[in-house]
Amino acid sequence: AQKVTQAQTEISVVEKEDVTLDCVYETRDTTYYLFWYKQPPSGELVFLIRRNSFDEQNEISGRYSWNFQKSTSSFNFTITASQVVDSAVYFCALSEAENRDDKIIFGKGTRLHILP
Amino acid sequence: KAGVTQTPRYLIKTRGQQVTLSCSPISGHRSVSWYQQTPGQGLQFLFEYFSETQRNKGNFPGRFSGRQFSNSRSEMNVSTLELGDSALYLCASSLASTGLYEQYFGPGTRLTVT
Repeated sequence: AQKVTQAQTEISVVEKEDVTLDCVYETRDTTYYLFWYKQPPSGELVFLIRRNSFDEQNEISGRYSWNFQKSTSSFNFTITASQVVDSAVYFCALSEAENRDDKIIFGKGTRLHILP
Repeated sequence: KAGVTQTPRYLIKTRGQQVTLSCSPISGHRSVSWYQQTPGQGLQFLFEYFSETQRNKGNFPGRFSGRQFSNSRSEMNVSTLELGDSALYLCASSLASTGLYEQYFGPGTRLTVT
């Protein structure tokens, strides 16, 4: 069965600090997709990144970077030089391509507070 | 390109009533998924529709149902509302399979059952 664990329920850092959000997943499939979403106070989930299981290359997008390690089943998300606007709940999610149900499973989310 | 829209944004209903929520996907997107978000259970998958057909359904009772129209707009219906149905209901659209393509979410409908 697929499972996504975000062990950090809440994190607070001071603005300009770097912060890493952890995501550990479980799946028996060899082909799967991992996602990160941001949910600001407005409530609308914002897509950040999608990564397939065959692409372990780390990705950087501005202040955001993602570290995908199949050996540890982790897909961690780092925000460099955090800003107050980064305050939100961040969700990691998993979708198994071979899963006939083809549904996406979300972690419980990490609430990130960036303090000015 | 317009994003996913959901109506209404807020809704207050009484226990036992039924409710219908609407979702208009991004133009060109044929897959629409629905999720329930509560503080206790987090984000849970309800069902997904593709080309007017329900592709799969999460672990929710039969009181939760949905449909998709030929223009890809989708509605979700909850009958015999219970207090525990109070939640933020999110709709997401994607080009096709939710696994192969990223989903784009609407702002949600916040349902309060009293």
